[in-house]
Amino acid sequence: DAGITQSPRHKVTETGTPVTLRCHQTENHRYMYWYRQDPGHGLRLIHYSYGVKDTDKGEVSDGYSVSRSKTEDFLLTLESATSSQTSVYFCAISGLAGNEQFFGPGTRLTVL
Amino acid sequence: TQLLEQSPQFLSIQEGENLTVYCNSSSVFSSLQWYRQEPGEGPVLLVTVVTGGEVKKLKRLTFQFGDARKDSSLHITAAQTGDTGLYLCAGGGFNAGNMLTFGGGTRLMVKP
Repeated sequence: DAGITQSPRHKVTETGTPVTLRCHQTENHRYMYWYRQDPGHGLRLIHYSYGVKDTDKGEVSDGYSVSRSKTEDFLLTLESATSSQTSVYFCAISGLAGNEQFFGPGTRLTVL
Repeated sequence: TQLLEQSPQFLSIQEGENLTVYCNSSSVFSSLQWYRQEPGEGPVLLVTVVTGGEVKKLKRLTFQFGDARKDSSLHITAAQTGDTGLYLCAGGGFNAGNMLTFGGGTRLMVKP
């Protein structure tokens, strides 16, 4: 299994508070991704990174920001959480093997 | 925007039955991947197909990539209760970011 961890695994927060989710990899893969998974929508890409300090927006980036200061860490920040951001968040990584991605265990975020 | 439609969305069958899940698009993909996801976990890669018309077998699972690389199917022979889960197809783009487009998923339940 690819070495990917996410923290925290579960979080409950209130509307308007900032939240940061962390993804950590031990595979030295270049590409890292943040997705959200909601019933009826499948997996939707929020942001991705193609190297240290190199990031770009995905399909549903509004309300989210990311940072990657080291190869192994990719942070997702909700500056001011809203109830619509209640979801399960997955981090994924990929190397050079085509488009195959390996996923972390997910973070379940509830915004009250 | 590339879209992938999966069908059926839900499937409930008895152990021992055969089933096929479809993944269709009007777009061409560089590759097509199938993932399986269990509750509380991240998706796990099952297979990648890259050549139009390609067929890959993984024990009781048979994966096919359409000749035009716009669609794919997953066939399970003699389903077992351990096959229960969410099956996701994902199409690879022709870009350097290794971004995938995910289908909405097929939730399979195999009853004993």
